Amino acid sequence: GAVVSQHPSRVICKSGTSVKIECRSLDFQATTMFWYRQFPKQSLMLMATSNEGSKATYEQGVEKDKFLINHASLTLSTLTVTSAHPEDSSFYICSARQTGASEAFFGQGTRLTVV
Amino acid sequence: GQQVMQIPQYQHVQEGEDFTTYCNSSTTLSNIQWYKQRPGGHPVFLIQLVKSGEVKKQKRLTFQFGEAKKNSSLHITATQTTDVGTYFCAGLLSGGSYIPTFGRGTSLIVHP
Repeated sequence: GAVVSQHPSRVICKSGTSVKIECRSLDFQATTMFWYRQFPKQSLMLMATSNEGSKATYEQGVEKDKFLINHASLTLSTLTVTSAHPEDSSFYICSARQTGASEAFFGQGTRLTVV
Repeated sequence: GQQVMQIPQYQHVQEGEDFTTYCNSSTTLSNIQWYKQRPGGHPVFLIQLVKSGEVKKQKRLTFQFGEAKKNSSLHITATQTTDVGTYFCAGLLSGGSYIPTFGRGTSLIVHP
């Protein structure tokens, strides 16, 4: 199947700093990428949908100025958590969908801990 | 908005027993997908069902899509310890951007 690489896998940062998470589709072009947040033992909460070359569409309740998403190319989307606080600590996962397809392939996830 | 309900939330079984998780959507779906997430891992795509009443099999896993395309199930026959993980269904609506709506998942615990 298609491979999606997410980096970093783990990051610890100080409160008030910003963290950038990268999501790359390695062997296909991803018109659409999704960013999720997952709390322990819970489901995937969709944060935003990112389409290449256009602004991301954020789900209700997700602050677009805090969670900056950039999808500058067909193989790369980034999520930047700005001015991170301990409540932002979570598991963030991206998924990418190939043009014309409906199944999505997930990255490995990023465990963010804000101290 | 669209909701996808998934039950049960947890299921403990003895190795060798069968397991089933159920998914119900508040709206008619275009497709339904199933994913497996191992503890500490990321969701991995298992299968997609598209047709009304469709049944697909992958070894010991059987996936069904209801006639009304509003419900789905995943059945595992004779569970093994390698089946441990959380199984998510994700429903997709037609006519839109195919944004998947995930159920809350069913965590399967297999006791040897």
